[in-house]
Amino acid sequence: KAGVTQTPRYLIKTRGQQVTLSCSPISGHRSVSWYQQTPGQGLQFLFEYFSETQRNKGNFPGRFSGRQFSNSRSEMNVSTLELGDSALYLCASSVKLGTEAFFGQGTRLTVV
Amino acid sequence: KNEVEQSPQNLTAQEGEFITINCSYSVGISALHWLQQHPGGGIVSLFMLSSGKKKHGRLIATINIQEKHSSLHITASHPRDSAVYICAVFNFGNEKLTFGTGTRLTIIP
Repeated sequence: KAGVTQTPRYLIKTRGQQVTLSCSPISGHRSVSWYQQTPGQGLQFLFEYFSETQRNKGNFPGRFSGRQFSNSRSEMNVSTLELGDSALYLCASSVKLGTEAFFGQGTRLTVV
Repeated sequence: KNEVEQSPQNLTAQEGEFITINCSYSVGISALHWLQQHPGGGIVSLFMLSSGKKKHGRLIATINIQEKHSSLHITASHPRDSAVYICAVFNFGNEKLTFGTGTRLTIIP
């Protein structure tokens, strides 16, 4: 069974640009959640989707958004990038909300 | 005060030693996760616990719901166990995963 796949693995963007990250969950998993990891703040919850609906959202500005498709694949978008958005972005999938989460390898975003 | 506290922050031990990493939390939870993160970023889920004890190979995880405390033990530690170990709790109230700051474990051959 394939694991959680995140693309791309690495990304360099300039300030002001926007970026879209993709996450393909484990087959059969309908819940996808996104996390930001920075050296200063550690791992922080961004949002969670279940059956194409955003179920929960962390304390991030509106520049951070996401969506989930009917095949459970999810994308997150960050607009008007700032230097502070440089981080490792991780997604995790689970069968449903609150069950064991399986993490992807992450996308390392660098904003210059 | 963070909702999830881990100790120690850093731990260096000799190969073969018994390792204990602790996690305390202050919120109501429905589950607690132990995660392992190697350099390069990928996170592996080691355990999900809601009560008692689980064992997988040389790894053992315990949780005491009344005391709001969990421990991760590694027996016969090996250099390949060197990683950051992260405790995360699924907060029953806000239905979010909240993470500890991690414990950086280094096992010296």
